[in-house]
Amino acid sequence: KNQVEQSPQSLIILEGKNCTLQCNYTVSPFSNLRWYKQDTGRGPVSLTIMTFSENTKSNGRYTATLDADTKQSSLHITASQLSDSASYICVVSDRGSTLGRLYFGRGTQLTVWP
Amino acid sequence: EADIYQTPRYLVIGTGKKITLECSQTMGHDKMYWYQQDPGMELHLIHYSYGVNSTEKGDLSSESTVSRIRTEHFPLTLESARPSHTSQYLCASSDQGKNTGELFFGEGSRLTVL
Repeated sequence: KNQVEQSPQSLIILEGKNCTLQCNYTVSPFSNLRWYKQDTGRGPVSLTIMTFSENTKSNGRYTATLDADTKQSSLHITASQLSDSASYICVVSDRGSTLGRLYFGRGTQLTVWP
Repeated sequence: EADIYQTPRYLVIGTGKKITLECSQTMGHDKMYWYQQDPGMELHLIHYSYGVNSTEKGDLSSESTVSRIRTEHFPLTLESARPSHTSQYLCASSDQGKNTGELFFGEGSRLTVL
């Protein structure tokens, strides 16, 4: 069973609107959580990285939140643009090894329409 | 922008052929990884390396092999390709010295085996 669940699986919004993507995880122990953006046919690119003590982190129009108690994270996109159309992947790292094993969600496919 | 490069970007080959997917990074990262990604599914780790002469198998059973003779180079080889190997292959690297271990991905190699 995947230890990182993302919702919704896909989302369509109009340009200029806001949206929020969800990530729930069961990974334990917890080291950090990352959100990646993956354009079609490209490799994922990091948006934010959050550790246990961080609740909110922003990167331009992207704001990630983390609730380590409930093991939930969200990625809020403000004033969406056509270029935001992509898959957004949540990745959680544990502290179980020096390598810091990574657990990937299946991603939320966001489509922004003009 | 990440300095990690994959070639070829696209490859269509027949069953039984031997192929090598190339991956190079110029960031001096010790850790390198190969992931397999199918549409709508999470990334699966197939190989990783801590550094030169270090290679390990990942979570997903794979018939491919890797080598790490130089820090910057981490090629993946399939001795005899089959249609089940059709997938997107993503190479990544990370800085072992940083606790967050952010991954930098290449653009991917999309392999189709007929």
